[in-house]
Amino acid sequence: EDQVTQSPEALRLQEGESSSLNCSYTVSGLRGLFWYRQDPGKGPEFLFTLYSAGEEKEKERLKATLTKKESFLHITAPKPEDSATYLCAVQAGGETSGSRLTFGEGTQLTVNP
Amino acid sequence: DAGITQSPRHKVTETGTPVTLRCHQTENHRYMYWYRQDPGHGLRLIHYSYGVKDTDKGEVSDGYSVSRSKTEDFLLTLESATSSQTSVYFCANGPYGSPLHFGNGTRLTVT
Repeated sequence: EDQVTQSPEALRLQEGESSSLNCSYTVSGLRGLFWYRQDPGKGPEFLFTLYSAGEEKEKERLKATLTKKESFLHITAPKPEDSATYLCAVQAGGETSGSRLTFGEGTQLTVNP
Repeated sequence: DAGITQSPRHKVTETGTPVTLRCHQTENHRYMYWYRQDPGHGLRLIHYSYGVKDTDKGEVSDGYSVSRSKTEDFLLTLESATSSQTSVYFCANGPYGSPLHFGNGTRLTVT
């Protein structure tokens, strides 16, 4: 059974205070690891896909990295608008299972001005 | 929200009543998904579809059924709603092997 664990559950930062979110996973045959951002009352919004260990992706103040057991979402000099819940998900299986994702519970990030 | 519209956005219903949630996509994606999101559990897959009239169960399918008679519409039905089905329901779509894109959800309360 695929499992995804995210830590910490909640993180409070001051504006400009860099930090990292962790996503550890257990999956048979990883096809991809996904990061999403979710704002209150909205659906998850896609951020990154990582496919193999050593891969990195960047977007503005966010950088995602992947190892064989975990992924990190690094947030550099965050701003209040980065406040959201960040979700990690893994995709496994063949084409008959489509792109079904297994999600972690998320990290709720609050950035104070 | 990648062309996904969910309706209704909010619904309150009584225990034992049937409820149908609708997901409509403007793209022509083959794959569509229904998830529920609950505190302490995150997003969990209920059912998914890999084509018209082709559906399969996810990890929390008990008490739910789905139908897909047209490419653009994917319906989720609670045959007899229970309080444990109070949740936020999200529909998603996306090509095989690609990231999923989600609608903005339906908040369902079963009293």
